[in-house]
Amino acid sequence: DQQVKQNSPSLSVQEGRISILNCDYTNSMFDYFLWYKKYPAEGPTFLISISSIKDKNEDGRFTVFLNKSAKHLSLHIVPSQPGDSAVYFCAASFTGGGNKLTFGTGTQLKVEL
Amino acid sequence: DVKVTQSSRYLVKRTGEKVFLECVQDMDHENMFWYRQDPGLGLRLIYFSYDVKMKEKGDIPEGYSVSREKKERFSLILESASTNQTSMYLCASSSQDRTDSYEQYFGPGTRLTVT
Repeated sequence: DQQVKQNSPSLSVQEGRISILNCDYTNSMFDYFLWYKKYPAEGPTFLISISSIKDKNEDGRFTVFLNKSAKHLSLHIVPSQPGDSAVYFCAASFTGGGNKLTFGTGTQLKVEL
Repeated sequence: DVKVTQSSRYLVKRTGEKVFLECVQDMDHENMFWYRQDPGLGLRLIYFSYDVKMKEKGDIPEGYSVSREKKERFSLILESASTNQTSMYLCASSSQDRTDSYEQYFGPGTRLTVT
């Protein structure tokens, strides 16, 4: 049972435009969400996170939006740059869950010149 | 600068061999995790540990075991490697401090091929 879903396996965007990556979850207990970025042959690196008490969190070019009623979050990258080309994973956790993260299947973002 | 290291970047083993994957973190983190990453399946949790000598099964523990004898080191063991264990293995660590926001720090991964 996939509790965190990323339904788009890939996304292609032109440099300078907005990239929007989506993530849906089914477990109502999740109260903390993270986005990770992964380059080939490297480990994932943390990008940005959001607590369920917020609906938006910004960090430079990256913004994460959370819609709790829809159990949906999205990552916006503006403007997109070629170096953003990577696999993006969303992950979720909940208080009392022992710091475990449940990951989605990932979206391969390609930013084209 | 925080660091998680894994003993090998690439490993090729034969079916039936016993395989050890080592992970070391220098952040004094209590929690350590082993994942495997496969195309289309994302990261799946194999085992995790909250403390020395403690271990908990993750979502796909079958065919694997772990060892945590020291706080900084977490080992993944494939008792008898099989071809379906060919994968990218990722180790991670995190703090139990709630203010650290559940963030896990990952190593570079070990690409294991079982032939």
